Amino acid sequence: LAKTTQPISMDSYEGQEVNITCSHNNIATNDYITWYQQFPSQGPRFIIQGYKTKVTNEVASLFIPADRKSSTLSLPRVSLSDTAVYYCLVVLSGSARQLTFGSGTQLTVLP
Amino acid sequence: DGGITQSPKYLFRKEGQNVTLSCEQNLNHDAMYWYRQDPGQGLRLIYYSQIVNDFQKGDIAEGYSVSREKKESFPLTVTSAQKNPTAFYLCASRGQGRERGNEQFFGPGTRLTVL
Repeated sequence: LAKTTQPISMDSYEGQEVNITCSHNNIATNDYITWYQQFPSQGPRFIIQGYKTKVTNEVASLFIPADRKSSTLSLPRVSLSDTAVYYCLVVLSGSARQLTFGSGTQLTVLP
Repeated sequence: DGGITQSPKYLFRKEGQNVTLSCEQNLNHDAMYWYRQDPGQGLRLIYYSQIVNDFQKGDIAEGYSVSREKKESFPLTVTSAQKNPTAFYLCASRGQGRERGNEQFFGPGTRLTVL
């Protein structure tokens, strides 16, 4: 199972773009990269997933280079309500076995 | 509305007692999961189930037990053998399909405190 490494914390200001990078050096061919957001005392919420290149949805973009050994979650124009913990997770598609989430990145958005 | 429910939201237990946490989903998902989260930490996998009547140990199964008699339900029992059970417990389910099947849906969690 691929291990992921993320920064422990990041600070940003309202209106800025935030990029959170995750490294997953031993990602396998059939693995997908997924990101979750968690607010205190709530369950994590799925944000985005990708396999390669770039994926964009209504809340974020995910950039994955060709070697897939890292990925970057991009949050455009963050607001105070984006303050949360963000988890990067590598998932073997079609397998129920889930990787441990790890400690994630605490993003704090300042006014 | 489809989703996952967990009950109770808060639970207090005396040392030496077993306690069961409920998790129900109406998403028609085959796979279900139990995680434990300690303050300032990430989620750790306790047990998971891919299908009815089948379940597998996760990373920290000692002191816990589960059952999966129905597709909709995956209760977790915290036994007296669990040395440090005070934590936030999260249940999740996962759908099917090559891409959407990678997304987990989480319940609101149960905060267990051992007195």
